[in-house]
Amino acid sequence: EVQLVESGGGLVKPGGSLRLSCAASAFTFSSYRMTWVRQAPGKGLEWVSSISSGSHYIYYADSLQGRYTISRDNAKNSLYLQMNSLRVEDTAVYYCASLGGCIGGSCSPGYWGQGTLVTVSS
Amino acid sequence: NFMLTQPHSVSESPGKTVTISCTGSSGSIASNYVQWYQQRPGSAPTTVIYEDNQRPSGVPDRFSGSIDRSSNSASLTISGLKTEDEADYYCQSYDSTNHPVFGGGTQLTVL
Repeated sequence: EVQLVESGGGLVKPGGSLRLSCAASAFTFSSYRMTWVRQAPGKGLEWVSSISSGSHYIYYADSLQGRYTISRDNAKNSLYLQMNSLRVEDTAVYYCASLGGCIGGSCSPGYWGQGTLVTVSS
Repeated sequence: NFMLTQPHSVSESPGKTVTISCTGSSGSIASNYVQWYQQRPGSAPTTVIYEDNQRPSGVPDRFSGSIDRSSNSASLTISGLKTEDEADYYCQSYDSTNHPVFGGGTQLTVL
C-alpha cells in the first residue's frame, strides 16, 4: 500500500522558518511529479508547489512570494518544503501528494499523505 | 487565471443519485485531465476519480466522472448514496502553465 508520511509541522512564530518532510513508501517515488497542498482551518484545498520527477521543473503558487522552496531526494524517497518568513496566514495543514492525472509526462492515480499541521502564531 | 467553480453544497437522500459539477472559467476543461477528491471530516483527501473518469482500485463503481465540452464542465456522479459518502468533494485540473488548480469544494450532505 502506498504511503506518504509528512513530518516537521508545529508551532512557529511569525517570521520563523520550518522544514516539512514527506517520506514515500511502496511507491516508485522517482517516477512521479510531487506536490504540496495546504488547507487553512475551515477552508478549501490550495496548491502550494510542485516538482517534477527529476527536479528539472519546479512551480510555486504566486501567493508565496518566494518564501518557500520545494526539493526532493529520490535516493531517499523523500520530498521537502522549506518555509521561510512565515506569516499567520500560512497556518494550515500541509499535505504531500502525487496529484492524479497525467501532466508533464508523469501520470498518477492520485496519492495523498495524512498531512502535518503548521501553526504560525506569536 | 484558470479557475474551477463548484456548487458550495448539495444534498440528497440515501439510495438516490447526486451529481456535482465543476465548471472551467476559460479555455477547454478537456485540455487537461480532471480529478475528484473526497475529504471526510477530519481526514486527508483521497482520490475517487482521476483522468476524468478513472476509478482508483478500491473506489466503488457508484462513483463516476464525466466531461461535458458543451458546458466546459466536469461532473462527479454518485449513485446509490450512502451516509458514508457524506464529505467534501474537490475537483482539480491544471492550467496552461501546468499549475494545479482546485475547485472551491462541494459539501455533500446525505440526509
